[in-house]
Amino acid sequence: DVKVTQSSRYLVKRTGEKVFLECVQDMDHENMFWYRQDPGLGLRLIYFSYDVKMKEKGDIPEGYSVSREKKERFSLILESASTNQTSMYLCASLNGDSLYGYTFGSGTRLTVV
Amino acid sequence: DAKTTQPTSMDCAEGRAANLPCNHSTISGNEYVYWYRQIHSQGPQYIIHGLKNNETNEMASLIITEDRKSSTLILPHATLRDTAVYYCIVLEAAGFQKLVFGTGTRLLVSP
Repeated sequence: DVKVTQSSRYLVKRTGEKVFLECVQDMDHENMFWYRQDPGLGLRLIYFSYDVKMKEKGDIPEGYSVSREKKERFSLILESASTNQTSMYLCASLNGDSLYGYTFGSGTRLTVV
Repeated sequence: DAKTTQPTSMDCAEGRAANLPCNHSTISGNEYVYWYRQIHSQGPQYIIHGLKNNETNEMASLIITEDRKSSTLILPHATLRDTAVYYCIVLEAAGFQKLVFGTGTRLLVSP
């Protein structure tokens, strides 16, 4: 069964900490994405990557950075966590022709205190 | 902005068919209809997609009207595990597109 695996289901971090969220996919997909999901706001795209070492900003990149050193791994970095980054973070991957839709990880619920 | 509209919530008895409607009146010729669902505290899960023909897989059936302006997702024998928020979205066939989920339909399957 194909999978997108996010390293943590729940995280609690302190304000100002540097936070790493890891995502690994085993489908050899070119495209990977980080979204955050908040009540009433739906899904919002933070960053995406269409190839190794390539990255593009989404709608809300401020306060975040990403790293894609290997095709299967896409990391989201919160440079200095703040309370307004408390959210559900979802990683997704997509194959090149996107005919079969996105595959999502289980999500990481991050709380910044 | 989401290009689809769905009812906010629906109820279904366990074992009965759940029929979830979706309006996508501005769909263009190269856009597919995709359905995802999200069980509480989990990531969205792909269910099914179609262009203009009806589609069926092990999870559900998708009925698309001839004018393609609306569709219905059918869960033939709903179970308690089907309780989730169901999202209908339209996407082009290929290439990257940002996902825009609307509010979806919250389906509650009861015993």
